[in-house]
Amino acid sequence: DAKTTQPTSMDCAEGRAANLPCNHSTISGNEYVYWYRQIHSQGPQYIIHGLKNNETNEMASLIITEDRKSSTLILPHATLRDTAVYYCIVRPVNAGNMLTFGGGTRLMVKP
Amino acid sequence: DAGVIQSPRHEVTEMGQEVTLRCKPISGHDYLFWYRQTMMRGLELLIYFNNNVPIDDSGMPEDRFSAKMPNASFSTLKIQPSEPRDSAVYFCASSSSGGAHSEQFFGPGTRLTVL
Repeated sequence: DAKTTQPTSMDCAEGRAANLPCNHSTISGNEYVYWYRQIHSQGPQYIIHGLKNNETNEMASLIITEDRKSSTLILPHATLRDTAVYYCIVRPVNAGNMLTFGGGTRLMVKP
Repeated sequence: DAGVIQSPRHEVTEMGQEVTLRCKPISGHDYLFWYRQTMMRGLELLIYFNNNVPIDDSGMPEDRFSAKMPNASFSTLKIQPSEPRDSAVYFCASSSSGGAHSEQFFGPGTRLTVL
């Protein structure tokens, strides 16, 4: 599986957009980019995923570069409840639904 | 649906004792995953099942760990004998078939402390 690189931690002001980057320079054509987050003391929660087109849902937007070597998760109006560890995961289509979690980015939303 | 249910939520035991963690996946889901999370190693996949059959157990740390899924609505993760280094939060997750578009739903976890 392709490896991902994320910053260890980031801060964001409440109400502002949080932009979380992820590098996946070795991604292959049949691999999707997934984002999950883990709020303290809870299980991870799915946010969004994409292949090569930008995606948006009620939680976030996912911007994938044209060469697919990096992506950015955007939380448009961060709230204190968005404070969590955010995981960027690259997963092959035929991986049997397996996920391999890395270290993630610890996002702290501050008032 | 109540989501993925795990029990117990907290378990404290002494070294050498047998520990059994339980999981009830979301109804209709045919994939079930067991993860372990520690500060040192992060979130690791231990084993996963598809249609009650173990598919990949390469993450199971050693023979002291075993997992079963006797039916579509129940799975157990057993540690016998337990050791202090097994202390961690154990998560169960489930998902439906669907290839790249299926998300995993995680339970609240079981916090295990082995003294």
